[in-house]
Amino acid sequence: DVKVTQSSRYLVKRTGEKVFLECVQDMDHENMFWYRQDPGLGLRLIYFSYDVKMKEKGDIPEGYSVSREKKERFSLILESASTNQTSMYLCASSLQGAGYGYTFGSGTRLTVV
Amino acid sequence: AQSVTQLDSQVPVFEEAPVELRCNYSSSVSVYLFWYVQYPNQGLQLLLKYLSGSTLVESINGFEAEFNKSQTSFHLRKPSVHISDTAEYFCAVSLPYDGQNFVFGPGTRLSVLP
Repeated sequence: DVKVTQSSRYLVKRTGEKVFLECVQDMDHENMFWYRQDPGLGLRLIYFSYDVKMKEKGDIPEGYSVSREKKERFSLILESASTNQTSMYLCASSLQGAGYGYTFGSGTRLTVV
Repeated sequence: AQSVTQLDSQVPVFEEAPVELRCNYSSSVSVYLFWYVQYPNQGLQLLLKYLSGSTLVESINGFEAEFNKSQTSFHLRKPSVHISDTAEYFCAVSLPYDGQNFVFGPGTRLSVLP
């Protein structure tokens, strides 16, 4: 079964720490995405990547960066974690053609204290 | 640009009752339409999609959605819900040639009550 795997389901970090969220897909998808999900705000796109080493800002990139060194792996980096980055983080991937839809990982619930 | 509206943020319904979750979209061109489901503390899963052809599409767990071009709607329905259908449901739209710019609705939380 094809999958998008996020390395951690739950994560607790301290304010000011550098945080890495990892996402791996085994479907040879070109596109990968990072969203955050907060109650009442729905899904908000942080960054996406359409190829290795390529990235595009989404709607809320401030405070985040990303890395895509290999096609299957897309990392989200919180340079200096803050309490307002406490959220559910969802990784997704897709083929170039839109008809296939997005495949999502199980999510990482990050708490910054 | 496309947009998606889900007017109902929460829908409570009793078990075995029918349910309709509403989705309306805005686009000046043809679109693909999707419904995703998110169970508690999980990621989103694709429930069903409309690309072309028959306007009525079905999922394996009894949900169906009907594409209505004139009303720009893609409402999700189930004739008899189960407790296990309790989840958040997201409608999404994309352009047919574009796999990078899905637009998601704000979601509808379906709560099935015993």
